[in-house]
Amino acid sequence: DIQMTQSPSTLSASVGDRVTITCRASQSISSWLAWYQQKPGKAPKLLIYDASSLESGVPSRFSGSGSGTEFTLTISSLQPDDFASYYCQQYNNYPRTFGQGTKVEIK
Amino acid sequence: EVQLVESGGGLVKPGGSLRLSCAVSGFTFSSSNMNWVRQAPGKGLEWVSFINTRSSSIYSADSVKGRFTISRDNAKNSLYLQMNSLRADDTAVYYCTREGGYCDSTRCYGVGTFDYWGQGILVTVSS
Repeated sequence: DIQMTQSPSTLSASVGDRVTITCRASQSISSWLAWYQQKPGKAPKLLIYDASSLESGVPSRFSGSGSGTEFTLTISSLQPDDFASYYCQQYNNYPRTFGQGTKVEIK
Repeated sequence: EVQLVESGGGLVKPGGSLRLSCAVSGFTFSSSNMNWVRQAPGKGLEWVSFINTRSSSIYSADSVKGRFTISRDNAKNSLYLQMNSLRADDTAVYYCTREGGYCDSTRCYGVGTFDYWGQGILVTVSS
């Protein structure tokens, strides 16, 4: 199985900060990587697919990059609505696997 | 409006069974591959099982293989998860999800993502 490792596990930041979350795959997954946002008590929401493509309706302050085994999610200017948990997910093969999550907290 | 509504969760004893259902509306269910994803309390996301449009391809996580069975009824726009031999570590919120993405003549885009999610249903396995 492909292991997905996110860092950091928790991130404290302020409104307006530029935030970067890293996701590493245990083997190459090409660009078959997605990012999700999850708020407490809610279902996850797809933000980014194919490593860098923005899902329809997602604000442009979110961006993704990377290929192979190393990927990043960047929020260019953190907004109050962005305080949430974020997960990466590989879909190169089965089983689909997620990173352990990164919680973005208010500093 | 897209809706995925799970039902059938609740409290069950170890070794017991439950059947989850997911009623879908707002998109063409029969043309959509579907999945179940779960999340244990306070933990991360875990993919559980996949079924394609015609039920001809099914994949499951090793943690549930032989105990959980995914199925669908395209005539009823419904997805199911039959869960047998339940264990305490199956306690989680279970989400019904649609596989996102599309393909054109040259390549596929986002196929394997989860673009629509239900609100989730809690399954608690405890004596």
